[in-house]
Amino acid sequence: GAVVSQHPSWVICKSGTSVKIECRSLDFQATTMFWYRQFPKQSLMLMATSNEGSKATYEQGVEKDKFLINHASLTLSTLTVTSAHPEDSSFYICSAKIPYKIQGGQETQYFGPGTRLLVL
Amino acid sequence: AQTVTQSQPEMSVQEAETVTLSCTYDTSESDYYLFWYKQPPSRQMILVIRQEAYKQQNATENRFSVNFQKAAKSFSLKISDSQLGDAAMYFCAYRTLRTNFGNEKLTFGTGTRLTIIP
Repeated sequence: GAVVSQHPSWVICKSGTSVKIECRSLDFQATTMFWYRQFPKQSLMLMATSNEGSKATYEQGVEKDKFLINHASLTLSTLTVTSAHPEDSSFYICSAKIPYKIQGGQETQYFGPGTRLLVL
Repeated sequence: AQTVTQSQPEMSVQEAETVTLSCTYDTSESDYYLFWYKQPPSRQMILVIRQEAYKQQNATENRFSVNFQKAAKSFSLKISDSQLGDAAMYFCAYRTLRTNFGNEKLTFGTGTRLTIIP
């Protein structure tokens, strides 16, 4: 399957600082990427959908000014957690969708390995 | 809005035996995709199997197969000859077939933790 990477794999930061998480599609160009958040022993909750070259679409209840998403190229999307607080501690996962033409119409999202964020 | 329900928080199976994980969903759409993803302790989400709703034939991938009952809105996963490496959290997911921007998101169930007993 397609390969999606995330960096860093885990990060510890002080309350009030900002943290940037990168998501890269390594062997394909992803026009659409997704950011999820997963609390311990819970399911994945979509935070936002990002399309290359346009503004991200945020899910209801997700603060766009706090979780800044940039999808500047076809292989890179970034999530910046601004002014992080302990309640932002979580596991953040990105996924990328292989374009329609490559997969012949089959729609599949491939996931990165996730980033564990701990805010002290 | 679509919802996905996994009613089995935990399941266990003896190694080499067969286990079935349940998933039901609610939608008013007629065309959509259904997926099973596996999340092992590493927390890397791995696609196990995919089903297009317009296909009557159940999808299979080696030891993994699904029982797709469209009228009942049921999508169960059967794992045959269970192996220790199958131990993981399994998530059922739904996605609309329509590809308009904003409709591409996956809706996940709450997951089933599968334990393999040696």
